Amino acid sequence: AQTVTQSQPEMSVQEAETVTLSCTYDTSENNYYLFWYKQPPSRQMILVIRQEAYKQQNATENRFSVNFQKAAKSFSLKISDSQLGDTAMYFCAFMPRTGANNLFFGTGTRLTVIP
Amino acid sequence: KAGVTQTPRYLIKTRGQQVTLSCSPISGHRSVSWYQQTPGQGLQFLFEYFSETQRNKGNFPGRFSGRQFSNSRSEMNVSTLELGDSALYLCASSLVPGAVTGELFFGEGSRLTVL
Repeated sequence: AQTVTQSQPEMSVQEAETVTLSCTYDTSENNYYLFWYKQPPSRQMILVIRQEAYKQQNATENRFSVNFQKAAKSFSLKISDSQLGDTAMYFCAFMPRTGANNLFFGTGTRLTVIP
Repeated sequence: KAGVTQTPRYLIKTRGQQVTLSCSPISGHRSVSWYQQTPGQGLQFLFEYFSETQRNKGNFPGRFSGRQFSNSRSEMNVSTLELGDSALYLCASSLVPGAVTGELFFGEGSRLTVL
């Protein structure tokens, strides 16, 4: 069974500062994807960043980067230069690379960017 | 191009009734998956459809069913509604299941309230 754990229900950060959201997962799979999704108050889930497990290099998308530690099964998200528009729920998710679109989500971290 | 469209956005039903929710994927996307989001259980995978066939199913009772049409549009149905079925139901689409990028595109969801 796959489980995803986000141990920080809520976090806040000052605008322009850096914040790191934690995520750990448990799986016996060797090939999989990891994702961070953002869900603003409008509710639409938006992909922030994606990591393929076989790639050792950490993924980066503009102000967003991850620290992927496969052996430790850890996948944290770092947001640099935080902006007010980053205020949202952030979900860590896992997808086995089995050919099915079955995402396993964590419980989410509510991030508030303070002006 | 248009995103994933879900209808209706909000609906209220009473216990024992049934409900049908609709999802139109992004043009060209052939895989549609459904998720239930509740405060207590978080985001849980319901099922996935591809080429009008259910490929994968989550751990939900048989009251939850779905189908996919030849134009890739999908519907999900919940019969004999219970209070616990109150949730945000999210639909996600991708080109094919387990797409190379692993990325799913989500709709804004249908908010179901069961009284």
